[in-house]
Amino acid sequence: AQKITQTQPGMFVQEKEAVTLDCTYDTSDPSYGLFWYKQPSSGEMIFLIYQGSYDQQNATEGRYSLNFQKARKSANLVISASQLGDSAMYFCAMREGRTSGTYKYIFGTGTRLKVLA
Amino acid sequence: DVKVTQSSRYLVKRTGEKVFLECVQDMDHENMFWYRQDPGLGLRLIYFSYDVKMKEKGDIPEGYSVSREKKERFSLILESASTNQTSMYLCASSLYQPSTGNEQYFGPGTRLTVT
Repeated sequence: AQKITQTQPGMFVQEKEAVTLDCTYDTSDPSYGLFWYKQPSSGEMIFLIYQGSYDQQNATEGRYSLNFQKARKSANLVISASQLGDSAMYFCAMREGRTSGTYKYIFGTGTRLKVLA
Repeated sequence: DVKVTQSSRYLVKRTGEKVFLECVQDMDHENMFWYRQDPGLGLRLIYFSYDVKMKEKGDIPEGYSVSREKKERFSLILESASTNQTSMYLCASSLYQPSTGNEQYFGPGTRLTVT
């Protein structure tokens, strides 16, 4: 069965330093997509970055990059130059193959990141 | 900008009440989803819909039903609310385009308390 694992329930990072949030996945589908979302204390989920299973290069979006290692089935999020506003819960998610007329998505349990001044 | 709105941010209901949670998106997305979020469990899919009047069960549909009469609106119904349905409920929408990411866009969430 498809699965997303985030093993770090909480992390601290010093402001202006880089931090890596871990995500491993399990799927037998050759076509899938991987996402990272940020959830601040306000509650709304914010899409950060996407990586397709056939993409050759790692995705980047500003200070966010996704370290995609297909053979290891990992999709770690790297945040460079952390800011206080990065303090939030971060979720890794996977888009499963097409079933029931559309895609379904599964989520990890999240990592709570705290940026220290 | 995609906008997904939910009818209430906070809701308090009594055990046994029928509860309606409404979700509206303004970007003509085919797909809409309802999740519940509980600490340590992440987001769990309750129901989803890929077209008007079409609905599919997610991973935890028991005690819930949904309605999608119009493309932009997806309602979650708790037929008889119970205390174990106290949770944060998140609605999301997405396009269905096989060649793209199809990321989900989320509403602000409804924190439901059942007493």
